Amino acid sequence: EVQLVESGGGLVQPGGSLRLSCAASGFTFSSYAMHWVRQAPGKGLEYVSAISSNGGSTYYANSVKGRFTISRDNSKNTLYLQMGSLRAEDMAVYYCARHAGSGYYGYWGQGTLVTVSS
Amino acid sequence: EIVMTQSPATLSVSPGERATLSCRASQSVSSNLAWYQQKPGQAPRLLIYGASTRATGIPARFSGSGSGTEFTLTISSLQSEDFAVYYCQQYNNWPPGWTFGQGTKVEIK
Repeated sequence: EVQLVESGGGLVQPGGSLRLSCAASGFTFSSYAMHWVRQAPGKGLEYVSAISSNGGSTYYANSVKGRFTISRDNSKNTLYLQMGSLRAEDMAVYYCARHAGSGYYGYWGQGTLVTVSS
Repeated sequence: EIVMTQSPATLSVSPGERATLSCRASQSVSSNLAWYQQKPGQAPRLLIYGASTRATGIPARFSGSGSGTEFTLTISSLQSEDFAVYYCQQYNNWPPGWTFGQGTKVEIK
């Protein structure tokens, strides 16, 4: 069974940093690109960042470029999102999602809440 | 960036009735369109990909159609568990990244 379990969310002050993790199991992690998608309270879904299966290519939404860094450790079956210079508008539930070859998200984690507030 | 627009924002339907949800893309996305269902406090769940292919385990009452810029998700006979928010997502244009519609909430009439 495919499982994605996020962790690392919490309360952080504006301008602060946080690192999210996503532990994967039930599939060959190193064979799949992985994405982070977020959802602000009461709002819709927003793509945040993506990483290729071997970690060699990374992509970011304009809204987080230069502030967030995506990475992965295929030996640990874990995806990461290092978030810096956090703003109020970054407050959201962050989901990791397994990217199907063509582009849709077949599997999602349960999400981790990031709260940005002083 | 491709903008996805869903309508209506809220759809009030009685159990057993048919629900029709629309999704429009600002430019053609071919058939690279997915639909997701999200219930309160839960992660989204994939329903449809390739505009019309049901994901594994999705009941036959869910169907998708369309191509290019106009897409439809139809729920043929609404069950109590179908009341949720539905999102469309295009995966035709990379970069800058996949984009989602703003969602349609299907509520009990």
